Amino acid sequence: QKEVEQDPGPLSVPEGAIVSLNCTYSNSAFQYFMWYRQYSRKGPELLMYTYSSGNKEDGRFTAQVDKSSKYISLFIRDSQPSDSATYLCALFTGGGNKLTFGTGTQLKVEL
Amino acid sequence: DAGVTQSPTHLIKTRGQQVTLRCSPKSGHDTVSWYQQALGQGPQFIFQYYEEEERQRGNFPDRFSGHQFPNYSSELNVNALLLGDSALYLCASSLHGQGGNEKLFFGSGTQLSVL
Repeated sequence: QKEVEQDPGPLSVPEGAIVSLNCTYSNSAFQYFMWYRQYSRKGPELLMYTYSSGNKEDGRFTAQVDKSSKYISLFIRDSQPSDSATYLCALFTGGGNKLTFGTGTQLKVEL
Repeated sequence: DAGVTQSPTHLIKTRGQQVTLRCSPKSGHDTVSWYQQALGQGPQFIFQYYEEEERQRGNFPDRFSGHQFPNYSSELNVNALLLGDSALYLCASSLHGQGGNEKLFFGSGTQLSVL
């Protein structure tokens, strides 16, 4: 079993839709949760960073963490074609130095 | 403010050859991590350098080695290339301590193709 599971998609939605992206994990040692956005032929870009369970909002983006269920989500409101990218969840235990990434979900927002 | 820069952007090698990839961290950062991203997969941690020493290593063979220089820039070396080494190699920089290790800033990567 992989430490982090993420549906690879692709996910196609119309412009203006609410998008829900999810990851599940198995290691309860993960304490920090991040979402990265990766455009084609580019490196990942940090979107959201959360530590505790609950919600964190930043503009059209909301990150949600449920540690009891080992489930994290990223919601995108009023999705735009410029949101078309691959979204990667990344988890960190707080010890050591490595991030553990999901496989990424490819999102396409269509006009 | 320059971000993380990597060179070259693309590289084609044949099996058995050796390759060196280079990375300059974001201004003010002192820690460099290297990740391998195969097509359709998430990045996999190779190793991290801080104070010119390898601090942690992922599940990669000794063919993968690295170096960090006094100016914090870094190199990734891969010997005896295999077809399976074809991937996007990402460099990420961060600021050591104070919860900064996990806030990584990535470069655009080096696309390595092994024929």
